[in-house]
Amino acid sequence: EADIYQTPRYLVIGTGKKITLECSQTMGHDKMYWYQQDPGMELHLIHYSYGVNSTEKGDLSSESTVSRIRTEHFPLTLESARPSHTSQYLCASSESRGQPQHFGDGTRLSIL
Amino acid sequence: AQSVTQLDSHVSVSEGTPVLLRCNYSSSYSPSLFWYVQHPNKGLQLLLKYTSAATLVKGINGFEAEFKKSETSFHLTKPSAHMSDAAEYFCVVSEVGGFKTIFGAGTRLFVKA
Repeated sequence: EADIYQTPRYLVIGTGKKITLECSQTMGHDKMYWYQQDPGMELHLIHYSYGVNSTEKGDLSSESTVSRIRTEHFPLTLESARPSHTSQYLCASSESRGQPQHFGDGTRLSIL
Repeated sequence: AQSVTQLDSHVSVSEGTPVLLRCNYSSSYSPSLFWYVQHPNKGLQLLLKYTSAATLVKGINGFEAEFKKSETSFHLTKPSAHMSDAAEYFCVVSEVGGFKTIFGAGTRLFVKA
């Protein structure tokens, strides 16, 4: 079974704060992804990584940034949170391109 | 170019009756196709995958899907719905060896007692 963890699960925070959403996986996967999903809606890819020191922007423009210093860790950062950032953020990893992605349980973010 | 269309945004069935969730795709290359399920406040869980082997794919929890190249379809079925099947289902297409993974818009399955 997949082992990919996201913290925190829920976060309510005020406008202007710096936020880091954590994502870690223990499967040794090179490929990692961040998706944004509004309730009941489809997933939108916002960032991905092919491996250490590799990060790319996804299909949906996002003010967030990511880093990939270690294989197992792919944090997402918002430098100054705004109400428009309120959403669910899902992290995923895969063994290689075209293979199934394994998902964390997500972080539900609310910016007041 | 790849695309995936889930033909129904909502499907409602009674417990014990069959489930059919429809998915059509387009792909320039040999696709990999997946179905995922998402329960409330959870991530996506892989139900099954098609990767150019048998066209009838069996997954977890009694679900299966049939790859029909002539119809460019990959519909998800289950003979008998259970209350615990109520969730959001996503059809996904990915090019074998390629980067792009396209998620459908999702189909919400309601199961009535």
